[in-house]
Amino acid sequence: DQQVKQNSPSLSVQEGRISILNCDYTNSMFDYFLWYKKYPAEGPTFLISISSIKDKNEDGRFTVFLNKSAKHLSLHIVPSQPGDSAVYFCAASAQNSGGSNYKLTFGKGTLLTVNP
Amino acid sequence: SQTIHQWPATLVQPVGSPLSLECTVEGTSNPNLYWYRQAAGRGLQLLFYSVGIGQISSEVPQNLSASRPQDRQFILSSKKLLLSDSGFYLCAWGRGPGGAFFGQGTRLTVV
Repeated sequence: DQQVKQNSPSLSVQEGRISILNCDYTNSMFDYFLWYKKYPAEGPTFLISISSIKDKNEDGRFTVFLNKSAKHLSLHIVPSQPGDSAVYFCAASAQNSGGSNYKLTFGKGTLLTVNP
Repeated sequence: SQTIHQWPATLVQPVGSPLSLECTVEGTSNPNLYWYRQAAGRGLQLLFYSVGIGQISSEVPQNLSASRPQDRQFILSSKKLLLSDSGFYLCAWGRGPGGAFFGQGTRLTVV
């Protein structure tokens, strides 16, 4: 059962335009959501996050929107740059029953290509 | 600042051979530690996590095991590798809901 879904395996955008990456989740216990960026043969790097008590978080060119009723979040990148080309992973965490661990559940990723 | 080291970067091992991947974290104490695997065409799957020395939780039944002999050391092992163990293995550390910070990964190819 895939609890975090990224239904678009790839996305191609023109430089300067907006990139919108989508993510859906099924587990209502998730209370924190994150986006990671990954280049080939490297570990993922943290990009931006949002708590379930918020519906928007912005950091420079990156904005994450959370719609809890729809169990949907999205990452907006504007303006998109060629250096943004990478695989983007959506992740969600839920505090475990012991309260000491936050395991991340990842989607399968979306390959973003920004064309010059 | 915190850093995470993971080695080796690449590894080619024959089927049936043992495996030992090591991960160490610097600049923090009592971190939560994680081993993830990214198989070809798939997302990141959590294999093991640890909230303290000697405390290991397994997320999926498999041919691998993990150990945490020291606070900032996390080891992924196998006694006999299978072809299906090939993949990109990532160690990560974290504390609280702020997410996890990943090492550079190990590309394991079982032949």
